[in-house]
Amino acid sequence: DTEVTQTPKHLVMGMTNKKSLKCEQHMGHRAMYWYKQKAKKPPELMFVYSYEKLSINESVPSRFSPECPNSSLLNLHLHALQPEDSALYLCASSQHRGGTEAFFGQGTRLTVV
Amino acid sequence: QQQVKQSPQSLIVQKGGISIINCAYENTAFDYFPWYQQFPGKGPALLIAIRPDVSEKKEGRFTISFNKSAKQFSLHIMDSQPGDSATYFCAASLPNTGNQFYFGTGTSLTVIP
Repeated sequence: DTEVTQTPKHLVMGMTNKKSLKCEQHMGHRAMYWYKQKAKKPPELMFVYSYEKLSINESVPSRFSPECPNSSLLNLHLHALQPEDSALYLCASSQHRGGTEAFFGQGTRLTVV
Repeated sequence: QQQVKQSPQSLIVQKGGISIINCAYENTAFDYFPWYQQFPGKGPALLIAIRPDVSEKKEGRFTISFNKSAKQFSLHIMDSQPGDSATYFCAASLPNTGNQFYFGTGTSLTVIP
């Protein structure tokens, strides 16, 4: 199984809502990532988890809160988002060592209204 | 600051033709250079990757050419097919950083029948 599963596929939320994005992989990967992708732009790294610990936070606003409950799951908690946060949110996983394939999920298309 | 520069932004090729996408980088510490293919509404998927100790790598119709001295690498798609129409991202990563990718800006490829 080389799949990274993200739920939901689509999400519309108001600026005062709280919602969560979920990501799951069963490849035994110990590195997991959140990326944000705007239309016609490359993915931008947000967070990296290494062995369930947050190792990189690319200066992401606190309205985005990541969580890694175990080695297979990654969540992104959303609160008080702005319309400019509307984007495709991608989860990825890979082996911990560098220079290996990163597997991406299909993403969650988020719209903030 | 764009760590990896990619060109062209868009490319139209006839079916059966050769598609060529170029990337350049500045940081000589990069040690892994993947190409990702992304279809609309999907997450990126690894197409082919190369390390700087190799000048060329071929997988089926896809070839990476790597010029370490020029700090450039390129993707060649031979016998391009309409099903190859997608956005292609080059990327680079540093050693000992897991797979924290610096993505190029992307190339939208259209293969016309």
